[in-house]
Amino acid sequence: SQQGEEDPQALSIQEGENATMNCSYKTSINNLQWYRQNSGRGLVHLILIRSNEREKHSGRLRVTLDTSKKSSSLLITASRAADTASYFCATDAGAAGNKLTFGGGTRVLVKP
Amino acid sequence: EAGVAQSPRYKIIEKRQSVAFWCNPISGHATLYWYQQILGQGPKLLIQFQNNGVVDDSQLPKDRFSAERLKGVDSTLKIQPAKLEDSAVYLCASSLWANTEAFFGQGTRLTVV
Repeated sequence: SQQGEEDPQALSIQEGENATMNCSYKTSINNLQWYRQNSGRGLVHLILIRSNEREKHSGRLRVTLDTSKKSSSLLITASRAADTASYFCATDAGAAGNKLTFGGGTRVLVKP
Repeated sequence: EAGVAQSPRYKIIEKRQSVAFWCNPISGHATLYWYQQILGQGPKLLIQFQNNGVVDDSQLPKDRFSAERLKGVDSTLKIQPAKLEDSAVYLCASSLWANTEAFFGQGTRLTVV
């Protein structure tokens, strides 16, 4: 079973625009992580936000976390063609073991 | 720093045959994960180790899949016998500890015919 579910499933934008995707999860978490996957580099970690944090930035990435709504969002600003990839949220949850569970992903296409 | 190493990169086998995948995590990483990723889907956690102990294997089809992590370092994942629906990319990842970012290998693409 997948803990996180991303929305939308697919997103197409023009270069320079912002891209926003959301992740909802079901159980309490220790942290939530976002990953990117493209054919060239495999799965790469982007950002980790802990359950006691509400917002985090890394370059052109902004992640928010709302534990009351069990949801997170990833914003990519000023998108580039190189941002074309699938983006996954992963939740680190579980009182015994912190298993890392991925959602189904959002496929982002950035058109030049 | 060397990344997570996996081998082989590609494997084609017939159904009912057996296959094994190998993973060498980043040195010093206590947590090791095996994921199965079917085309168009997110990675599905098969098994998670903390050192050489199993943290979670609730989604590992134990009638045909097995995994071990000897001495808390390298790990192997075995499928015996393989089914057509096992065709997927098998990803290995490691992290310094649970609660930290995971680093992924390039994966092994398995095709069962």
